[in-house]
Amino acid sequence: DAGVTQSPTHLIKTRGQQVTLRCSPKSGHDTVSWYQQALGQGPQFIFQYYEEEERQRGNFPDRFSGHQFPNYSSELNVNALLLGDSALYLCASSLDFSGPGANVLTFGAGSRLTVL
Amino acid sequence: TQLLEQSPQFLSIQEGENLTVYCNSSSVFSSLQWYRQEPGEGPVLLVTVVTGGEVKKLKRLTFQFGDARKDSSLHITAAQPGDTGLYLCAVHDYSGGGADGLTFGKGTHLIIQP
Repeated sequence: DAGVTQSPTHLIKTRGQQVTLRCSPKSGHDTVSWYQQALGQGPQFIFQYYEEEERQRGNFPDRFSGHQFPNYSSELNVNALLLGDSALYLCASSLDFSGPGANVLTFGAGSRLTVL
Repeated sequence: TQLLEQSPQFLSIQEGENLTVYCNSSSVFSSLQWYRQEPGEGPVLLVTVVTGGEVKKLKRLTFQFGDARKDSSLHITAAQPGDTGLYLCAVHDYSGGGADGLTFGKGTHLIIQP
């Protein structure tokens, strides 16, 4: 049973460029969340996708956008990259339901983005 | 202001010692989660605590949720090098009206030296 897979694992971009990161959720999961983790910090919530729509968003500018596809996979796009966007970008999947076991996230290993 | 304050920020101890790390807040939470993250990996859920005063054990790890559901602690007995990692506490922050994103603390970086 494959867990959450993310690609690419590492990438280097320059300021002003655009980047797309990809995520395949754990089998059976229908909800995908994206987090940004700066070096030495805890992850920060960017947004969550469910039923191909953005359901909730954290405190991130519009340069950060996303998409969820019918097969539940997701992309994170960042435009006009800044040096401060250098971070580990984590994708987490979950199953949308209420009750015991709800809100349990499975994280991928992340995509390490370096902006020069 | 951080919603969750974790302490200590860094901790390096010898194998076999005991340790406790803390996660504190001025807010009340319906539940709190602890994760461990190893280098090059994503966070892995260790436990979810729900009831005030609740104690959960996972082998040598003991998790406690404060009576007022504002804080939590993680105690490790006889630490081993395999316990090395970043320990993160997290809650669902309902203040923005949503209930889906997790808010993490900055974590405790734990190193267990052989």
